[in-house]
Amino acid sequence: DGGITQSPKYLFRKEGQNVTLSCEQNLNHDAMYWYRQDPGQGLRLIYYSQIVNDFQKGDIAEGYSVSREKKESFPLTVTSAQKNPTAFYLCASSKTGRTPQHFGDGTRLSIL
Amino acid sequence: GQNIDQPTEMTATEGAIVQINCTYQTSGFNGLFWYQQHAGEAPTFLSYNVLDGLEEKGRFSSFLSRSKGYSYLLLKELQMKDSASYLCAVNSEYGGATNKLIFGTGTLLAVQP
Repeated sequence: DGGITQSPKYLFRKEGQNVTLSCEQNLNHDAMYWYRQDPGQGLRLIYYSQIVNDFQKGDIAEGYSVSREKKESFPLTVTSAQKNPTAFYLCASSKTGRTPQHFGDGTRLSIL
Repeated sequence: GQNIDQPTEMTATEGAIVQINCTYQTSGFNGLFWYQQHAGEAPTFLSYNVLDGLEEKGRFSSFLSRSKGYSYLLLKELQMKDSASYLCAVNSEYGGATNKLIFGTGTLLAVQP
């Protein structure tokens, strides 16, 4: 079955450490997205990519970086510059920018 | 600015009907989506409206009025498993880019026996 796979499900980061969250999709979708979800807040867009080798900053890109070297993969790195990284991170993909986005199961990141 | 408003919480009884409202003010409009999210899980797509009117899909229906910046999600024959957060999201244009989803904070629905 096609879908979006995020790993790991839980991740712990030490102070000053960069960590990378994985997102893979086999839906043949062109667009991929990273969101952050905090309690009591809506999903906020971190980065998005509408085509391979191209990506744009979302609303809260500071302290994060991404790459889109393959259509299937859109990894997110949370750098040490992100001062409040504890959150639920969701990756999504869609066929085009106007079709429904489908989400992975998420990665919960915590600070040690 | 971009703004989406939904009630924070709602309570309904099993077997009943509940309507969850969403109002929006966005620059540009390319459609409105409803998602369901159970606690600790990923959102799942429920419905999509781009033209005015009602879209029906089984027990779930969604309505859109673009002139009023208003949508609602109607859930019929409520079941206990419908207890979840319901997210309204508008596909808009902002920040120099098109087709970006803006999410509301979600409505937490509790279905009681």
